Amino acid sequence: AQKITQTQPGMFVQEKEAVTLDCTYDTSDPSYGLFWYKQPSSGEMIFLIYQGSYDQQNATEGRYSLNFQKARKSANLVISASQLGDSAMYFCAMREGQGSQGNLIFGKGTKLSVKP
Amino acid sequence: EPEVTQTPSHQVTQMGQEVILRCVPISNHLYFYWYRQILGQKVEFLVSFYNNEISEKSEIFDDQFSVERPDGSNFTLKIRSTKLEDSAMYFCASSDWGNYGYTFGSGTRLTVV
Repeated sequence: AQKITQTQPGMFVQEKEAVTLDCTYDTSDPSYGLFWYKQPSSGEMIFLIYQGSYDQQNATEGRYSLNFQKARKSANLVISASQLGDSAMYFCAMREGQGSQGNLIFGKGTKLSVKP
Repeated sequence: EPEVTQTPSHQVTQMGQEVILRCVPISNHLYFYWYRQILGQKVEFLVSFYNNEISEKSEIFDDQFSVERPDGSNFTLKIRSTKLEDSAMYFCASSDWGNYGYTFGSGTRLTVV
């Protein structure tokens, strides 16, 4: 079974509007971390936001917020006020266990296109 | 801001040749990783390295792959005899004891011809 599922291969959003990128995960480990990375066409992986399984509040980083619904095992990324520069691939990833030494398991990604 | 540096950014090699991909992780990080992304596909874990030894590896990381931290700053991935299917973007990453903090390098795009 897939550990990280991103069901939207591609998404379009109008500039200045908000967009939600879906991510569901599967783990039996009570301790885990969830990550979102942005990969522009140049190829690098840019860290956006992190949510720990024990965090009580949803993570926010500037225009990025993570809608964490633990019971549903979902960790959707919300980008507010989309900009043309947000056009990129977005990957959801999970690390199982405590600390930051475990490997990341990535989803297949969502390609976001921001329209002017 | 500290960053992970990878060299070269692009490498083209002939099938059967050995390649070494180089990485300089963030200096106070303790855990090092290599990931691979075949064009258009998801990022896949290859290997993690801690305290001068492999801590975990995936089934992709077979005998043709090896990693080394030769001098306390560099972290290398060697592919002994490259195959066409090794063509991919290879990412190095490092992390420390914090709850998060994986930092990825910009990647090396390897093309095997």
